[in-house]
Amino acid sequence: DAGVTQSPTHLIKTRGQQVTLRCSPKSGHDTVSWYQQALGQGPQFIFQYYEEEERQRGNFPDRFSGHQFPNYSSELNVNALLLGDSALYLCASSPGTSGTHSYEQYFGPGTRLTVT
Amino acid sequence: AQKVTQAQTEISVVEKEDVTLDCVYETRDTTYYLFWYKQPPSGELVFLIRRNSFDEQNEISGRYSWNFQKSTSSFNFTITASQVVDSAVYFCALSEALGSASTASKLTFGTGTRLQVTL
Repeated sequence: DAGVTQSPTHLIKTRGQQVTLRCSPKSGHDTVSWYQQALGQGPQFIFQYYEEEERQRGNFPDRFSGHQFPNYSSELNVNALLLGDSALYLCASSPGTSGTHSYEQYFGPGTRLTVT
Repeated sequence: AQKVTQAQTEISVVEKEDVTLDCVYETRDTTYYLFWYKQPPSGELVFLIRRNSFDEQNEISGRYSWNFQKSTSSFNFTITASQVVDSAVYFCALSEALGSASTASKLTFGTGTRLQVTL
């Protein structure tokens, strides 16, 4: 049973560029959340997708956008990259609205983004 | 607004010692969920436990135990007989109920406690 997968593992971009990060949820999960983790900090919630729509959003600018596909996989897009966007980006999936584990989120290995 | 405080930035212990990681939370909701995650050097967050606000029963899983006290808004985590493999950053997190939907809501994390276990 594959867990949450993310690609790429590492990425180096230049200030002002755009980036797309990808996430495949754990089998049986239909909800995907994205988090940003700066060095030495706890993860910060960016947004959550369910049924291909953004259901919740954290305090991130509109430069951060996302998408969920019919197979539940998801993308995170960041436009006009800033140096401060350098971080580990974590994707988490959860099993939707049924079952005793529906409140639990399971994380992928993350994508480390470096903006120069 | 939700808030999670992990006052211990870093803890160092010698193997086989017991260690307790503290977590204090703030929320206005009456229904909420508390979590502990482990983040080893590889970076992946590993789910350890979820506790519902209406269930104050403490839990033990092998060398791990959790003490949830609503009266003090605390959800502390104890590792008994620590091992080198326990070395990691541990995060406490809080989520509130998402309306009427029985599903995961956004997690609010603390700043983490780095645990170093040496021989």
